[in-house]
Amino acid sequence: RKEVEQDPGPFNVPEGATVAFNCTYSNSASQSFFWYRQDCRKEPKLLMSVYSSGNEDGRFTAQLNRASQYISLLIRDSKLSDSATYLCVVTTPGNQFYFGTGTSLTVIP
Amino acid sequence: DTAVSQTPKYLVTQMGNDKSIKCEQNLGHDTMYWYKQDSKKFLKIMFSYNNKELIINETVPNRFSPKSPDKAHLNLHINSLELGDSAVYFCASSALGPNSNQPQHFGDGTRLSIL
Repeated sequence: RKEVEQDPGPFNVPEGATVAFNCTYSNSASQSFFWYRQDCRKEPKLLMSVYSSGNEDGRFTAQLNRASQYISLLIRDSKLSDSATYLCVVTTPGNQFYFGTGTSLTVIP
Repeated sequence: DTAVSQTPKYLVTQMGNDKSIKCEQNLGHDTMYWYKQDSKKFLKIMFSYNNKELIINETVPNRFSPKSPDKAHLNLHINSLELGDSAVYFCASSALGPNSNQPQHFGDGTRLSIL
């Protein structure tokens, strides 16, 4: 079983739509959780950390469910510039980072 | 100031050659990493290294070797390049510490093409 699993998509949504991605992880001892964004032919960049109580950054909301071992990312009022691949990242004790395969999002005018 | 920098950005070379990719971070991080991203876009960890421990992904061929002259540098040396080595290679770094909740920071990537 993979450490981190994501639906690869693609998700094609109209501008202004709300879209949500989920990611599941297998190691119950996982400690830290992140969402990264990767644009075509660019490096992954940190979008936001995911905290136990959930957190929001503008149009982006991240949540963690330790009991069910998943994290989610909600994007409200989608912009064209949100088109990218979104990577779920989980760390385990020992500082090992595990990346999901990424979910592709295209926001359509 | 670039936090994680890797050179070269593009590398085109012939099969069988030996090449190195350099990576430097000025974030004072304890741990550095090398990833390979192939045409299917999956980011695959190759190595993680701090000044105490090298962790190698067992699927990485021994033609690949990391070399760290100091805490701020982790270079990737590749011997006898093969066509399947064509990919984008990313260097990354992170702070170390239990429950540190510190993310990784990535370099721009090196696009390696084998002819």
